[in-house]
Amino acid sequence: DADVTQTPRNRITKTGKRIMLECSQTKGHDRMYWYRQDPGLGLQLIYYSFDVKDINKGEISDGYSVSRQAQAKFSLSLESAIPNQTALYFCATSDPGGPADTQYFGPGTRLTVL
Amino acid sequence: QKEVEQDPGPLSVPEGAIVSLNCTYSNSAFQYFMWYRQYSRKGPELLMYTYSSGNKEDGRFTAQVDKSSKYISLFIRDSQPSDSATYLCAMNGRGSYIPTFGRGTSLIVHP
Repeated sequence: DADVTQTPRNRITKTGKRIMLECSQTKGHDRMYWYRQDPGLGLQLIYYSFDVKDINKGEISDGYSVSRQAQAKFSLSLESAIPNQTALYFCATSDPGGPADTQYFGPGTRLTVL
Repeated sequence: QKEVEQDPGPLSVPEGAIVSLNCTYSNSAFQYFMWYRQYSRKGPELLMYTYSSGNKEDGRFTAQVDKSSKYISLFIRDSQPSDSATYLCAMNGRGSYIPTFGRGTSLIVHP
């Protein structure tokens, strides 16, 4: 089984809808991250959490919110989706004791906002 | 100007070629340098990392860091079609747990 899982894998929604992307991990890592990836722009950090009670904004947090329900679960919400939030979204975890704080990514969620 | 610059490509090479992928950066505090490989419709996964300057070799892959020039490279020898993927460089400083990623270079190795 995959160590970092994301649901759904694909989602098509309409402008103005609220949607939630979910991430679960079995790696036992405290640190979790949400990124979006757009063609030609690389990975942009949305939010990150170093433990259950810690939530931090990344470089592009506007229009997004997160919830860290447990060590293993980190959800990303779009309160009112807009077309320019169409992107590939990745959840990741890291182990501070690991080499170079290696990030372990999930398979991604492809989101389309019409 | 972004902290980490990486040419998005695509870079198309014949099977067996030596591939050179590169990134430049501006933050002199970076000490950990990583290369991630991302296949189509998959998440990135760590390929190699190096600490500070120097070379590191792993099979057909060699990572090279030149801190004086703020330039890192990934060399792939005897490239294979299975190496076709996007390669992202990433780097962070000591005590900084958030890596800065390059935009990624798309590599196509054709038979």
